[in-house]
Amino acid sequence: AQTVTQSQPEMSVQEAETVTLSCTYDTSESNYYLFWYKQPPSRQMILVIRQEAYKQQNATENRFSVNFQKAAKSFSLKISDSQLGDTAMYFCAFGGSQGNLIFGKGTKLSVKP
Amino acid sequence: EPEVTQTPSHQVTQMGQEVILRCVPISNHLYFYWYRQILGQKVEFLVSFYNNEISEKSEIFDDQFSVERPDGSNFTLKIRSTKLEDSAMYFCASQPLPRADTQYFGPGTRLTVL
Repeated sequence: AQTVTQSQPEMSVQEAETVTLSCTYDTSESNYYLFWYKQPPSRQMILVIRQEAYKQQNATENRFSVNFQKAAKSFSLKISDSQLGDTAMYFCAFGGSQGNLIFGKGTKLSVKP
Repeated sequence: EPEVTQTPSHQVTQMGQEVILRCVPISNHLYFYWYRQILGQKVEFLVSFYNNEISEKSEIFDDQFSVERPDGSNFTLKIRSTKLEDSAMYFCASQPLPRADTQYFGPGTRLTVL
């Protein structure tokens, strides 16, 4: 069975600085997708970024980028130039052959002014 | 931009009552999901639905739960006899293509069972 592990329950960063959130996963599948979702206090789930496992190039979306290490089964999220609006829970998720997403427990990120 | 909608945003019910949570997926999407998130915990998969039938379900999705697509737009989750432990945020998600593609989440329904 697939598992997703986020080892950092909470993190904080100063505004305008860079922060990296960690995620590791376990799977025997070779084709899959990985996602980072943001959940602000409103509790809406907002897609931040996604990575296809067959792509070697790391995905980027503006200030958000990932470091995808397939062999190590690692998928970290880097947020550059952190903003107050980035304060939220961040969930790493695995999407494989079954279709449903498997989520990690989340990392609570606080951006401080 | 099309989005998934869910109603109601908050539902309060008494233990033992039936509740129906409603979702309108993005119109050209084919796969639909329900997830739940107990406060302070991770998001857990309940059930997936394709072509008018359940594709996969988790061990959480027992006989108290059912899903239905009663018309071409709505997708519902019914809990027949609610328990205190059903209190959670329930998210609907839809997906345009099968399997590993992006799932788009609705804003969620907060269910409170008293």
